Amino acid sequence: IAGITQAPTSQILAAGRRMTLRCTQDMRHNAMYWYRQDLGLGLRLIHYSNTAGTTGKGEVPDGYSVSRANTDDFPLTLASAVPSQTSVYFCASSDSVGADPYGYTFGSGTRLTVV
Amino acid sequence: ILNVEQSPQSLHVQEGDSTNFTCSFPSSNFYALHWYRWETAKSPEALFVMTLNGDEKKKGRISATLNTKEGYSYLYIKGSQPEDSATYLCAFQAGTALIFGKGTTLSVSS
Repeated sequence: IAGITQAPTSQILAAGRRMTLRCTQDMRHNAMYWYRQDLGLGLRLIHYSNTAGTTGKGEVPDGYSVSRANTDDFPLTLASAVPSQTSVYFCASSDSVGADPYGYTFGSGTRLTVV
Repeated sequence: ILNVEQSPQSLHVQEGDSTNFTCSFPSSNFYALHWYRWETAKSPEALFVMTLNGDEKKKGRISATLNTKEGYSYLYIKGSQPEDSATYLCAFQAGTALIFGKGTTLSVSS
């Protein structure tokens, strides 16, 4: 693993089903984030975690939950998927809660389609 | 809700042209301003992180400036090449996480 690994790469999901998007980093970064990318809306923050054991809500948290049991993993769960959650999901991490001089590192994204 | 605006939305230039984009952000509660380059089918990659008013950063043919008092940043590309074609995102950081603009999509023709 180098950087951030997201799984699955893509998924078609029936509405009402539960789904967990996985995110693992090997850089020992303190902070991790989940964004969704939608056409015309750019990247919007769903949830974040400043450090293991803590999480916070972003701009569009409804319908999503996260956990941060350890430094490396930050899974995103959709408890009951709806079509409006069709999107591309990006996980990111940074070395510090403050201004990481190297910026965020992003995963390659998960393309989720809810039908 | 904090608003980050980027202009233009898209831009098409010829190889060798120099170009620049604008990012406008709130001038209050400023912590840092990030620029990212996002190529199609890839992940965003960090270009610059700027924290101080008057900051200027440079990486090869790409440079950026920052004015925190008036809330804007410019990204410049000198002598554009086809490989510069991408979406350029700026992101404002007031606290924990980044608020992204919608990006400027640059297309460079050879």
